[in-house]
Amino acid sequence: EVQLMESGGGLVHPGGSLRLSCVASGFFFSSHEMNWVRQAPGKGLEWISYISRGDSTTQYADSVKGRFTISRDIAKNSLYLQMNSLRVEDTAIYYCAREGISGGFFDFWGLGTPVTVSS
Amino acid sequence: EIVMTQSPATLSVSPGERAFLSCRASQSINSNLAWYQQKPGQAPRLLIYEAFTRATNIAARFSGSGSGTEFTLTISSLQSEDSAVYYCHQYNKWPYSFGQGTKLEI
Repeated sequence: EVQLMESGGGLVHPGGSLRLSCVASGFFFSSHEMNWVRQAPGKGLEWISYISRGDSTTQYADSVKGRFTISRDIAKNSLYLQMNSLRVEDTAIYYCAREGISGGFFDFWGLGTPVTVSS
Repeated sequence: EIVMTQSPATLSVSPGERAFLSCRASQSINSNLAWYQQKPGQAPRLLIYEAFTRATNIAARFSGSGSGTEFTLTISSLQSEDSAVYYCHQYNKWPYSFGQGTKLEI
């Protein structure tokens, strides 16, 4: 069974940092591109970052570019999101999402981890 | 950036009826469009990809159509369990983008 389990969320002050993790199981982690998607309270979905299977290509939404860094550790079946210079508007539930083999769409999602940025 | 616009924002339909949810892209995205269903407190679930291909274990009541800039998610024989927010998602070009969602009330 495919599973994605996020962790690392919490309460942080503006300007602070957090590192989110997503542990994958039930599939060949190295065979899939991965993404982070977030959802602010009561709002819609916002794609924020992508990483290729080989770790060689990353993409970011303008809203997080230069502050967030996506990475993956194949040996640990894990996806990460390093979030620096956090802002109040980064408050959201953060989901990791697996891309389908044929690419682009998100065929499995984790349950999400909440991040609250507040003073 | 490709802007995805969904309509209507909210749709109220009776059980057993059919619902049509629309998604428009600000430029052509070919058939690189997915639909997701999200119920309160849950993660999104993939329904449709490549505009019309049903994901695994998705009921045949859900169907997708369209290409280019205009897309439709059709849900027939509506059931109470279909109450949710539905999002479209383009993956034709970076940055990926979602529509703002359509809330379906049964």
